[in-house]
Order: sequence, then C-alpha cells, then structure tokens
Amino acid sequence: NAGVMQNPRHLVRRRGQEARLRCSPMKGHSHVYWYRQLPEEGLKFMVYLQKENIIDESGMPKERFSAEFPKEGPSILRIQQVVRGDSAAYFCASSPIQGSNQPQHFGDGTRLSIL
Amino acid sequence: AQSVTQLGSHVSVSEGALVLLRCNYSSSVPPYLFWYVQYPNQGLQLLLKYTSAATLVKGINGFEAEFKKSETSFHLTKPSAHMSDAAEYFCAVSDQGGTYKYIFGTGTRLKVLA
Repeated sequence: NAGVMQNPRHLVRRRGQEARLRCSPMKGHSHVYWYRQLPEEGLKFMVYLQKENIIDESGMPKERFSAEFPKEGPSILRIQQVVRGDSAAYFCASSPIQGSNQPQHFGDGTRLSIL
Repeated sequence: AQSVTQLGSHVSVSEGALVLLRCNYSSSVPPYLFWYVQYPNQGLQLLLKYTSAATLVKGINGFEAEFKKSETSFHLTKPSAHMSDAAEYFCAVSDQGGTYKYIFGTGTRLKVLA
C-alpha cells in the first residue's frame, strides 16, 4: 500500500533553468496539496488540486510557478526560470475526500537546490 | 483567518522526562487540529488529530494532546521521552474556508538528551 510518492527526492538546477516536481498521491486519493518549506521555517500552502482542476492557488507566486493534476498521471509542480530563492523542500500531500477531518498524507518531499 | 503559534522553536528534554510542546490556535470556527512529526530529510507523519470528538486525543508513539477551547490550545505531551523522539514537530489547523488546506506553525525541534 504505497504512500504518497514524490520524485525526484533531490533536484539541482542552475539559475534560469526549469524545475519539474512530481507527486503521485496515495491510491484512491483525488485531492492533492503542495506545500513549500523554506530553511528553518514551517510549511506554507501553495496550491490545492483535484483531478484536472486547480481549486485554490492562493499560495502560489504569481509568476514562474504552475501546477497541474491531469486525469492520468502524477501531479506536477513546475517552476520556470528558477532563482536562488526557490531553494526549498517541496512537499505534496493527498487526501481521499475533501473534509476538515481528513488528515493529509505527506510524501518525503523534493529538495530543490539552485546553484 | 486561522493561525497557529508554536511557542519555543527548540525544546530540550532528558531521556525519560516529560515532553511538552505548545501549540495555540486562532480560529473563528471550531477548529480541526493536527500534530505531525518530521524526521530529518523525510516527510511529515501524522501523530494525532482533533476533530471535535474527545478533547483528549491519543496518538502514535505514546503522544497525546488535549484540546482546550478556553485557552485556544492544543499542546502535545508524552510522559517519558525516548531518544527516538528527537525530531521536528508541527502543529496545523485545517482551513475551514472551503479548501481544507493546512496552516502550519513554525515548528518545534525536540532534542532528547541522554
């Protein structure tokens, strides 16, 4: 019974390149959340998606960042033209249905380093 | 708007001593609250959750938390610390505005001394 799978675990990019982070939710989960954890800080919400729909992107930077959760395949968080400040750990979480009392299950994260 | 405050970014206890990690929340509606633990280079693992049932919630690894509405608190405790408890602990409240995203505290790093 696989948990939330994120890949890659570590990603190194040079400034100006693109970063693609993948998240496969737990089996049967159709709700995906992305969070960012900056060094020595807590996790901050970025975006919430259901299959083929972005429900809440209030935490996403207005430029360079995008997310999708297609009908088939993993959810993708895409960062274009990366800058040093994008260095962080990016976590994906999934839940089976929408509801306050449904705990989110987290992946092990992708640690993005920008050279 | 909901928010979470964790007092004490670093807490040290001796092995076998009581663990107390503090969490206070702000919410205009009855909150749903969660404690997660994060080990180095890993994701977050759910310790326990409060969803308006019993106010004393028991979780995994001997942890428990008590919801106190009058104090807007949800402190995490464990009677006897073990070396394996050394990790970072996050308190979170679920946004009840419709999307149920989590609002996290800034975390407390627990160190257990031999």
